[in-house]
Amino acid sequence: SAVISQKPSRDICQRGTSLTIQCQVDSQVTMMFWYRQQPGQSLTLIATANQGSEATYESGFVIDKFPISRPNLTFSTLTVSNMSPEDSSIYLCSVCRDRGYEQYFGPGTRLTVT
Amino acid sequence: KQEVTQIPAALSVPEGENLVLNCSFTDSAIYNLQWFRQDPGKGLTSLLLIQSSQREQTSGRLNASLDKSSGRSTLYIAASQPGDSATYLCAVFSGGGADGLTFGKGTHLIIQP
Repeated sequence: SAVISQKPSRDICQRGTSLTIQCQVDSQVTMMFWYRQQPGQSLTLIATANQGSEATYESGFVIDKFPISRPNLTFSTLTVSNMSPEDSSIYLCSVCRDRGYEQYFGPGTRLTVT
Repeated sequence: KQEVTQIPAALSVPEGENLVLNCSFTDSAIYNLQWFRQDPGKGLTSLLLIQSSQREQTSGRLNASLDKSSGRSTLYIAASQPGDSATYLCAVFSGGGADGLTFGKGTHLIIQP
């Protein structure tokens, strides 16, 4: 298993601003993922972040809106840019030792945009 | 595009009962299937991972089965306890798109003391 932390745990932001969410894992992992859980909905993958390469975005998500960094094997950031109330969601980081292995999730960041 | 469906959406049973949660997926070409539980205001806890070559996995009072050809999985919970109350999520890894999991909408389970 893996111990994953996310910062901040929650935030309230103004429309039009940006927020960067950090994800830290206690061991080196190949794959890190970012998911979104909108109110009352299940999880949707935003993108996969692998060290040394550009993030791979799921259909419907774009880099300009959700830029991602992966500077090393234990850390990643997700930025939610130019926020609108529709971006109010829980954002979750997950990790996987390698492709096809078990995924573990962080506690999530609850974002409210006013 | 892979789609995952979970039935029932909600379930309330008395403590001590055995119960079954169902998950179905539209594309049988999966690498694995994972069951999670989500408690209110918290992240996801991984319960069981079944690889595509496996038929079932067990952990304590939990047993998950996989019938890949028919696109179905079940999570069996034996001797349910109030602490089992949570939302249970089924997710499949199919290897397409951005290489993440495709989730169902979950089953909201309440175990009555």
